[in-house]
Amino acid sequence: ETGVTQTPRHLVMGMTNKKSLKCEQHLGHNAMYWYKQSAKKPLELMFVYSLEERVENNSVPSRFSPECPNSSHLFLHLHTLQPEDSALYLCASSLLAGDYNEQFFGPGTRLTVL
Amino acid sequence: AQKVTQAQTEISVVEKEDVTLDCVYETRDTTYYLFWYKQPPSGELVFLIRRNSFDEQNEISGRYSWNFQKSTSSFNFTITASQVVDSAVYFCALGTGGFKTIFGAGTRLFVKA
Repeated sequence: ETGVTQTPRHLVMGMTNKKSLKCEQHLGHNAMYWYKQSAKKPLELMFVYSLEERVENNSVPSRFSPECPNSSHLFLHLHTLQPEDSALYLCASSLLAGDYNEQFFGPGTRLTVL
Repeated sequence: AQKVTQAQTEISVVEKEDVTLDCVYETRDTTYYLFWYKQPPSGELVFLIRRNSFDEQNEISGRYSWNFQKSTSSFNFTITASQVVDSAVYFCALGTGGFKTIFGAGTRLFVKA
């Protein structure tokens, strides 16, 4: 595998389900990001991790819970979501954390909440 | 306030036409970086270019060129001789030294054969 991979690519879940999104980067980067992309707000930063430490939490509801066990893996745990949480969830990585660095994105997980 | 404005929501051109995507940014910082990303239908954003605020030289990479003008706070992107494969959403973005890159709303480009 190369670059940034995300699984699953598509996910349909009910509001009472618990699911997790997975992201893996094969670039040797030290920072990882979660973004939400929807028609209403094109690209919203959710979380930033630098060397497994969360350095940014952009006022995200607690029904989204990130986890970064190491610098190559990032998870987004989902529980009791709302229909308005339906969106494309993108993972990204960069060599270092910080917005001076270019980011490399995965293909995203298309989430539908029923 | 930090802001990136991409006023063109959608652009449609015929193959081989040249097309310019506009980007206007706002920041009070003197040190900042500007970016362009391409998002094809497959979903992942692809990094195209990064430019820092002290380098106003225009850049050309194949059919792509970028015009950075601090006087007008613009960082425009031109595709020469467009191709169908250029059809995508293009995002301009701004970084000012924090953790949160500011993205524009994106411009959707349709290139018709």
